[in-house]
Amino acid sequence: EVQLVESGGGLVKPGGSLRLSCAASGFTFSTYTMNWVRQAPGKGLEWVSSISSSSSYIYYADSVKGRFTISRDNAKNSLYLQMNSLRAEDTAVYYCAREGYSHFEFDYWGQGTLVTVSS
Amino acid sequence: QSALTQPASVSGSPGQSITISCTGTSSDVGGYNYVSWYQQHPGKAPKLMIYDVSKRPSGVSNRFSGSKSGNTASLTISGLQAEDEADYYCSSYTTSSTYVVFGGGTKLTVL
Repeated sequence: EVQLVESGGGLVKPGGSLRLSCAASGFTFSTYTMNWVRQAPGKGLEWVSSISSSSSYIYYADSVKGRFTISRDNAKNSLYLQMNSLRAEDTAVYYCAREGYSHFEFDYWGQGTLVTVSS
Repeated sequence: QSALTQPASVSGSPGQSITISCTGTSSDVGGYNYVSWYQQHPGKAPKLMIYDVSKRPSGVSNRFSGSKSGNTASLTISGLQAEDEADYYCSSYTTSSTYVVFGGGTKLTVL
């Protein structure tokens, strides 16, 4: 059974940093592109970042470019999101999502971890 | 403002069919067959319902179908059931500065 479990969320002050983790199991993690998608309270989904299976290709939404860094450790079946210079508008539930082999579809999602940026 | 445009809400009675539209541009929906649809119940993670415009993942009811015409994609749910009440989001690959863009979401109410 495919499982994605996010952790690392919490309350952080504006300008602060946080590192999210996503532990994957039930599939061959090293062969899939992985993504982070976020959802602000009461709002819609927003794609944040993508990393290919071997970390060769990395993409970011304009809203986080230069502040967030996505990475992965295939030996540990883990995905990460380092978030720096956090702003109030980064407050959201952050989901880890596996990208299917057809590409650009997110076929499995974690339960999400809440990040709150507030003074 | 979301890159893809969806109606804020739609409604239908049990047993009826409804269609949710998702309008983009030739840089996303109109240019590529990489449109997906997600269902999200309150407090839950999104669930993939349709990918590549019209393909259904294993385990998704055949009451859900997808199509595309020009820059507009559509999700049709036939034989509406109470459990279909949820938020629905479309997404598409895009050649704009992002990688994937989502629609703003549509709240489906089953009357």
